[in-house]
Amino acid sequence: GAVVSQHPSWVICKSGTSVKIECRSLDFQATTMFWYRQFPKQSLMLMATSNEGSKATYEQGVEKDKFLINHASLTLSTLTVTSAHPEDSSFYICSARRQGLAFVGTEAFFGQGTRLTVV
Amino acid sequence: AQKITQTQPGMFVQEKEAVTLDCTYDTSDPSYGLFWYKQPSSGEMIFLIYQGSYDQQNATEGRYSLNFQKARKSANLVISASQLGDSAMYFCAMREGYPYSSASKIIFGSGTRLSIRP
Repeated sequence: GAVVSQHPSWVICKSGTSVKIECRSLDFQATTMFWYRQFPKQSLMLMATSNEGSKATYEQGVEKDKFLINHASLTLSTLTVTSAHPEDSSFYICSARRQGLAFVGTEAFFGQGTRLTVV
Repeated sequence: AQKITQTQPGMFVQEKEAVTLDCTYDTSDPSYGLFWYKQPSSGEMIFLIYQGSYDQQNATEGRYSLNFQKARKSANLVISASQLGDSAMYFCAMREGYPYSSASKIIFGSGTRLSIRP
């Protein structure tokens, strides 16, 4: 089956620094990638939709300047948390949609997630 | 307003019993899709089952079946013969709009934590 790889799996950073999280589709081209945030014991909240070659679409309430998303190729999207603070600590998960296929069933592939801790 | 509602924050079930996890949804779009995912403590999202709004029959995948009641806007997950390994968080999710639409995205319910007792 199709694989989405997210890196790193976990990261600890100091407050005020920036952290980059990568989401790669390993064996398919993804025109669209999605970034979710999950607080402990809570649901996945969609942060933004990233389309290859264009600006990301952010959900209401998500700070664009804080969460920078780049989708430079059909296999890679990155989320950069800028000037991270302890309240940004969370589990971040990406999802990739395979190019040209209907968005049904298994056609929403998830990365394994990145646990960010800001100290 | 909540688009996906899961009213059971947590459930305990005896091993080998069947369990139903509730999910209701809200959309005015005639074309949509409903998903169920399992999230173990490792955090990965495991796809379980999918139901399209135009599908005539309820979806089934092994021990998982989806009780789709369109008029009531409910899409309950039924797990037959539960196993200890079924203990996890379960999320109901929805995609609004035509499945080939580039604007499609998946939104999640609040989840149900299922615990299986030996």
